[in-house]
Amino acid sequence: DIVMTQSPDSLAVSLGERATINCKSSQNLFYNSNNRNYLAWYQQKAGQPPKLLIYWASTRESGVPDRFSGSGSGTDFTLTISSLQAEDVAVYYCQQFYYTPRTFGQGTKVEIK
Amino acid sequence: EVQLVESGGDLVQPGGSLTLSCAASGFIFSDSWMSWVRQAPGKGLEWVACIKKDGTEDYYLDSVKGRFTISRDNAKNSLFLQMNSLRAEDTAIYYCTKDRRGGIYDFHDSWGQGTLVTVSS
Repeated sequence: DIVMTQSPDSLAVSLGERATINCKSSQNLFYNSNNRNYLAWYQQKAGQPPKLLIYWASTRESGVPDRFSGSGSGTDFTLTISSLQAEDVAVYYCQQFYYTPRTFGQGTKVEIK
Repeated sequence: EVQLVESGGDLVQPGGSLTLSCAASGFIFSDSWMSWVRQAPGKGLEWVACIKKDGTEDYYLDSVKGRFTISRDNAKNSLFLQMNSLRAEDTAIYYCTKDRRGGIYDFHDSWGQGTLVTVSS
């Protein structure tokens, strides 16, 4: 199975500051035929189900604030929150959908410093 | 608005069986592949199974293959997960999810609130 490794496991960021989460895949997620990376990001707030934030590594889901952005290609990806808000406190997961079974990273907990 | 409402979670003994249900609304259910994703208490996410929009194909995580069966009733906008020979490691919140694109290589664009399955004696 493809292993998705996120770093760090947790981070504390001041309000208004940038938060950066990394996700590394054990295999390439870039498909040459359609020029896309098969990587999604989810946000899970305490006591709630996950919510889709980003897919194709950098396409923001409808309704997601533009302070959330995704980047990267191949095996290395990043989720950036440009200006952390109180409502962004959550655990963030990356997921690959290039291979079966679909697999998730272990999660990164984002807190306010 | 997409709504997915799971039910059927319970406390069950090891080796027991349980069937989870998911009632879907707010989208054309028969046009969507659907999945189950689980989350053990305090742990991360794990994809369990998915099913094609007409129910003719299904795919499973290796550790549940032969024990779990995903199915659907498009006339009733419902998704199911039949779980047999349950083990302690199956203890988790089980989420019903709607897949975005269709196919085994996909991501989850809508999630239910989940239903808790606890396997313990």
